Parts: sequence; structure tokens; C-alpha cells
Amino acid sequence: RKEVEQDPGPFNVPEGATVAFNCTYSNSASQSFFWYRQDCRKEPKLLMSVYSSGNEDGRFTAQLNRASQYISLLIRDSKLSDSATYLCVVNYNYGQNFVFGPGTRLSVLP
Amino acid sequence: DTGVSQNPRHKITKRGQNVTFRCDPISEHNRLYWYRQTLGQGPEFLTYFQNEAQLEKSRLLSDRFSAERPKGSFSTLEIQRTEQGDSAMYLCASSLEGSGVKFTPLHFGNGTRLTVT
Repeated sequence: RKEVEQDPGPFNVPEGATVAFNCTYSNSASQSFFWYRQDCRKEPKLLMSVYSSGNEDGRFTAQLNRASQYISLLIRDSKLSDSATYLCVVNYNYGQNFVFGPGTRLSVLP
Repeated sequence: DTGVSQNPRHKITKRGQNVTFRCDPISEHNRLYWYRQTLGQGPEFLTYFQNEAQLEKSRLLSDRFSAERPKGSFSTLEIQRTEQGDSAMYLCASSLEGSGVKFTPLHFGNGTRLTVT
């Protein structure tokens, strides 16, 4: 079993739709969690950190369930510019180990 | 530009040749990471430095791979006797370890795309 697993995708949604991505991790010692966005043939860029209480940044909401070892990302009112691959990232050992999931590709269609 | 810088952006080499990539992290960042990414996969961890010390190496990092960060600033990743399976995007990232257990998330460079023919 991989350390970090994500919905395989791809997700093809119309503009304005709400879409949710799921991520599970196997290392119960994981401490910090992040969502990164990666455009085609570009480097990953931090989208948002994920806090225990859940957090929101505009149209994006991240949730963490430590008991189930599960992270989610919700995108509301999706835009064409949201089309990208979304990478779930888990950290343990106080910033020394960052493990990436395989990513979920999103295409927002006009 | 004070972000993470990598060069070259692209490298095409013949099988069996040696290649070296360079990464300049964000200047105040004390941690530096190398990852490898192939099409349709997430980045896979290769190795990690805290200042000049190489603290961890992945099992993916065969004996043909070596990384250095001699003065705790820039880093190089060398691949000897390249194989076609080495073709990938090589990503460098940096972060800052603060006081206690605080640290920043990874900031990536734009990568070096290696093609081995």
C-alpha cells in the first residue's frame, strides 16, 4: 500500500460545479498536511495547508480527519483556471519528510 | 527573483553519459530536497539536506546518483552512466526549519527535465 493515496481521476466538471478530492495516508505519525497544485509541465505550488479544525481559502476548503487518516479538498464554483493536478502531501518528522500522493487531475470544462 | 532556481531546464543525453544538475534554494532556507517525477505520478523523494549535511536518501537513489550541498547553499545532483529509466523531471525544493518544530512548506524550483536517449 502506498503511503499516500488519492482519487485516481481524472475529474471532468463544468464551470461553476463543486468538486471534492479525497486523500488517505497510512503513516499515523503524520503531522502536517498540504494540498499542492501542479499545472502541466510545471512545478508543484502550494495551494493550502490543512489544519486540524479544517480551513477555508476563498473557494477552497480543506478538511482533515486524523482518526480516519483522511484529507479532503473541496472546490466550489470551479473556474477554467482551476484545471490542474492536485497533489496531497503528508509530512512527518517535523518537516523532514514530505510524501506526495500521485495526484488527481481536474479539468474544468466551459 | 528570490525563488528556487534550477538549471539546466532541459537536458538530453545519451545512455551511459554522466549529467549534473544544479539547484539554488531560497537563500534563507536551510533544508533542500531533491525529488523525481515521471508522467502521471507525484514527486518521489530522492534525498534531503539540512544545511550541508545529507540526512536522508531514498532507496530510489542508486549508487549512480550522488548529491552534494558543500557549503549549505546550492546543491548538485549527479547521475552517472545514465539509463533510459532515468528520464524524468528532477525537482528541487527548499524549506526553512524555524525554532522548535516549526517549518515552512516546500517551495519548488521549475525542475530539470532529463531525457536519456
